[in-house]
Amino acid sequence: SAVISQKPSRDICQRGTSLTIQCQVDSQVTMMFWYRQQPGQSLTLIATANQGSEATYESGFVIDKFPISRPNLTFSTLTVSNMSPEDSSIYLCSVDPREPGPQYFGPGTRLLVL
Amino acid sequence: EDQVTQSPEALRLQEGESSSLNCSYTVSGLRGLFWYRQDPGKGPEFLFTLYSAGEEKEKERLKATLTKKESFLHITAPKPEDSATYLCAVQFGNEKLTFGTGTRLTIIP
Repeated sequence: SAVISQKPSRDICQRGTSLTIQCQVDSQVTMMFWYRQQPGQSLTLIATANQGSEATYESGFVIDKFPISRPNLTFSTLTVSNMSPEDSSIYLCSVDPREPGPQYFGPGTRLLVL
Repeated sequence: EDQVTQSPEALRLQEGESSSLNCSYTVSGLRGLFWYRQDPGKGPEFLFTLYSAGEEKEKERLKATLTKKESFLHITAPKPEDSATYLCAVQFGNEKLTFGTGTRLTIIP
């Protein structure tokens, strides 16, 4: 398994601002994933981040809105840019340390945009 | 398009009342099916991985089974602490997971 931490755990932000979420893993992993979970909904994959390459975004998500960094094998950041109330969600990072195998999730970042 | 459907959306049981949750999927190259538990305000917690039809996994009061088109999560004699949302996720031809919408389980003392 893997132990994953996220910062911040929650935040309240104003419309038009940006927030960067950090994800730290206790072991080296090739792939990290970023998900969004809107209130009362299931998880939707935003993008996949491999170290040393550009992140791969899912349909409906673009790099200008959700830029991702992956500087090394244990760390990644997701920025939510130019936020609107519709961005209010829980943002989760995950890793799959062993392929095939399950993904393990961080505790999430609860974001409220006013 | 590959899809994952969970039923029921919500389930209320008396403590000790056994039941099953369902996860059905349309598949093109299933690599694995995963069950997670999610408590309010927390990230999903991994429970089980199933890879092939006929496979079963057990943990305490939970047992997961897999057929070619669906998986069941059986809960036997549940306790209030089993209350949570249970998520099913399927991995198809690539590394990505497709999640179902979840079943919100409430166990009444």
